[in-house]
Amino acid sequence: DADVTQTPRNRITKTGKRIMLECSQTKGHDRMYWYRQDPGLGLRLIYYSFDVKDINKGEISDGYSVSRQAQAKFSLSLESAIPNQTALYFCATSDPRTGIGETQYFGPGTRLLVL
Amino acid sequence: GENVEQHPSTLSVQEGDSAVIKCTYSDSASNYFPWYKQELGKRPQLIIDIRSNVGEKKDQRIAVTLNKTAKHFSLHITETQPEDSAVYFCAASIGAAGNKLTFGGGTRVLVKP
Repeated sequence: DADVTQTPRNRITKTGKRIMLECSQTKGHDRMYWYRQDPGLGLRLIYYSFDVKDINKGEISDGYSVSRQAQAKFSLSLESAIPNQTALYFCATSDPRTGIGETQYFGPGTRLLVL
Repeated sequence: GENVEQHPSTLSVQEGDSAVIKCTYSDSASNYFPWYKQELGKRPQLIIDIRSNVGEKKDQRIAVTLNKTAKHFSLHITETQPEDSAVYFCAASIGAAGNKLTFGGGTRVLVKP
């Protein structure tokens, strides 16, 4: 089955370290997203990309950067990790050909702990 | 930008009873309103959605209603079952501007047997 995958699934790092979270998809979708989930705050959009040459900031992009290496791959980097970036991170994809209101398909998530 | 408020944050119901979750949104241009369910340790998955040209939509035991004038929409789950226990998220987006979803804070639903 076509799917969205994320690596690693769990990561522990120290303050100041640079880390990268990776997302791959076999759904053939053009649009990809990165969210973080914190208790009580829902899912907040970090960055999104509507095609390979397109990168856009979401509502909480400070401290993060992204790279869209191919249609199927979208990576999230924390240049210098800090403890308040401890969260559950989700990648998602969607297909713009479905018109207004595209279903977003989420990956399994990466649990990040910054010490 | 868009702001979505979701209430309640937690909801405990007896098996067989109904559950209602309410969301309000701020941007009157929003025209797409999905609901996602996240079971413990799992990824969020779409369970139902509604577009602004429709007032109500049903799918078996779940239904969503939309009041565009008041800028609020609700999820209704009837005859709740233990497998309905999960966190539910509402969201809103302005379809013509792409699919940027703004999510509510989530409702943790516990169905007691």
